[in-house]
Amino acid sequence: DGGITQSPKYLFRKEGQNVTLSCEQNLNHDAMYWYRQDPGQGLRLIYYSQIVNDFQKGDIAEGYSVSREKKESFPLTVTSAQKNPTAFYLCASSSHRNTGELFFGEGSRLTVL
Amino acid sequence: SQQGEEDPQALSIQEGENATMNCSYKTSINNLQWYRQNSGRGLVHLILIRSNEREKHSGRLRVTLDTSKKSSSLLITASRAADTASYFCATDDNNDMRFGAGTRLTVKP
Repeated sequence: DGGITQSPKYLFRKEGQNVTLSCEQNLNHDAMYWYRQDPGQGLRLIYYSQIVNDFQKGDIAEGYSVSREKKESFPLTVTSAQKNPTAFYLCASSSHRNTGELFFGEGSRLTVL
Repeated sequence: SQQGEEDPQALSIQEGENATMNCSYKTSINNLQWYRQNSGRGLVHLILIRSNEREKHSGRLRVTLDTSKKSSSLLITASRAADTASYFCATDDNNDMRFGAGTRLTVKP
């Protein structure tokens, strides 16, 4: 079945460590996004990519990095520079940016110990 | 920054009742979407309404859009316990898809 797969679902990190969250889609979508969600909050955009080998910063990109080497994959690295990384991270894709429905993965919950 | 703001923040109703949630936004939009999120899960798209549409239906869902007031409402009729979730509006302002903080709906059996 087509969809978006995020992994891992739960991740624990010690302070000072970088971690990478995986996001894979088989929907043949051009656009992919990473959002951060804090308890009781809406979604805030971290990075987005409209096409392979191109990506743009969202509202809260500091302390994060991404790559888009393949259409299907858009991994997010949470670096040690991110001061408050504990959050729920959601990956999404759409056929084209800002033209319709976003398809979301099931999320990855990162906890910094 | 968030574009849409949902109201109320939380809503608790009995099964069978209708639930109405509102969304206000600040800038011009191309479309407005509503999403549902079960606790600890990803968001699921419910319905999209374009800026030139005023009302749209999908099953038990009814969405209205008033661009003059920059507001939208989501009505869930004959609610069920399984409708318990958070509901978010998202707006497209030609730059990014912006989400509000959501309305937490609890439907009591």
